[in-house]
Amino acid sequence: GAVVSQHPSRVICKSGTSVKIECRSLDFQATTMFWYRQFPKQSLMLMATSNEGSKATYEQGVEKDKFLINHASLTLSTLTVTSAHPEDSSFYICSATGGAGGGETQYFGPGTRLLVL
Amino acid sequence: DQQVKQNSPSLSVQEGRISILNCDYTNSMFDYFLWYKKYPAEGPTFLISISSIKDKNEDGRFTVFLNKSAKHLSLHIVPSQPGDSAVYFCAAKGGTSGGSNYKLTFGKGTLLTVNP
Repeated sequence: GAVVSQHPSRVICKSGTSVKIECRSLDFQATTMFWYRQFPKQSLMLMATSNEGSKATYEQGVEKDKFLINHASLTLSTLTVTSAHPEDSSFYICSATGGAGGGETQYFGPGTRLLVL
Repeated sequence: DQQVKQNSPSLSVQEGRISILNCDYTNSMFDYFLWYKKYPAEGPTFLISISSIKDKNEDGRFTVFLNKSAKHLSLHIVPSQPGDSAVYFCAAKGGTSGGSNYKLTFGKGTLLTVNP
C-alpha cells in the first residue's frame, strides 16, 4: 500500500512555543492531505483538509490561527501548532489520498505525540 | 450526533476462531466504507474497503459485509491470530453534498483481543 511518514514521532515542548509536524507521502503524489487529532480512547477527529497549493479547509471548532497548515507540494504537508498550551497535548495523525487507489482510500502516517509542558 | 457507531468497545476471541466486528451508520449518503487497524501510538493501517454498490468484499482472511437496508457493516476475520489484536476502526466516506464528500467519519473503535 501507499506509505505516509510523519516527523517527528514525538515532541515535548514548553508552553508558548510553536511546533511543526511534517507529513510526507513517500511513494505517491497526495492530492489531498488530512490532519486528525486523537484523544485517549477516542476516535480520530478530523481537524482540517488540505489540497496542494490552496488554503486548508478547517472543521468547525478548529482554530485556523492556532493550527497552521501548509500543503507546499504533492508530497508534503505541514501542521504548525502555534503558541502551544498543555491542552494541545494530543496524538496528531495525518493521512493522504491520491495514490493508485484513485483517491478513495486514505493512508495514514504513524502519528506524532505532542506533549506541551 | 455520531454518524458511525461501533457499539462494542471490546471483543475477545480465541485464536483460530472467527472475529466479527460490527459497525452501524445513520447517514444513507455514505458511499464508501473502510476498516482500519490501529496499534497504540501508531497511525491506522488500512485493511479493507467496500463500495456502497457491493455487499461483500474479501481479501485473504478479511471479509467486509455491507447491508445497506440495515445501515450495517461488519468485518470478519477468519482464522483470527494473536497478531490481529488491535483497535479496529470503521470509517465511512461521503455523506455530504458538494466538495466535502471525501471526508472520512470514524467510529470510536473496537479493541479486539485474540487469545492464544
